[in-house]
Amino acid sequence: EPEVTQTPSHQVTQMGQEVILRCVPISNHLYFYWYRQILGQKVEFLVSFYNNEISEKSEIFDDQFSVERPDGSNFTLKIRSTKLEDSAMYFCASSETGGGTEAFFGQGTRLTVV
Amino acid sequence: GQNIDQPTEMTATEGAIVQINCTYQTSGFNGLFWYQQHAGEAPTFLSYNVLDGLEEKGRFSSFLSRSKGYSYLLLKELQMKDSASYLCAASNSGNTPLVFGKGTRLSVIA
Repeated sequence: EPEVTQTPSHQVTQMGQEVILRCVPISNHLYFYWYRQILGQKVEFLVSFYNNEISEKSEIFDDQFSVERPDGSNFTLKIRSTKLEDSAMYFCASSETGGGTEAFFGQGTRLTVV
Repeated sequence: GQNIDQPTEMTATEGAIVQINCTYQTSGFNGLFWYQQHAGEAPTFLSYNVLDGLEEKGRFSSFLSRSKGYSYLLLKELQMKDSASYLCAASNSGNTPLVFGKGTRLSVIA
């Protein structure tokens, strides 16, 4: 069964450093998303990406964050100058046709900023 | 904007039936989703309702009333492995992402 894959599964970084989280969405999906979940809290939307551009972003997704689809398979989230409060589980998701269809989630990257 | 409410925690007995409610307020509506999330894992899709009524899928069923902004997830013949968080999520138009509620942590006890 096709699945969304994310790497790394865990990442520890020092405050102020840049991190890149990687995702390979399901191959025939057209919509890609990043969500984050701070420990014990709800899953929060960060950004959606369609047709090689950001289609929507939340207020969390400020200038510190950027996304890129560098090739035909990878979808990355870059966090510049990480802060302690960026520590969370980051989930990548993809869907076939957008909001009215189920989104498939990757297993997540647990980011710890120290 | 969107607002999604569901109970924080519920406890039920193995073999029993449990109903998890969700109310939502959205500026538009393109479907109501339920996801299951075990601790430390990714959400996994359970069900999708866009029309009023009940959708049944094995031990799990989901109901939607659009006029009331209300949904529930019904879990039958509970098993210990059903202990997880159940996330209600809404989509308010064709291309917008899912917005999740805080989730209901279900504990199944013997």
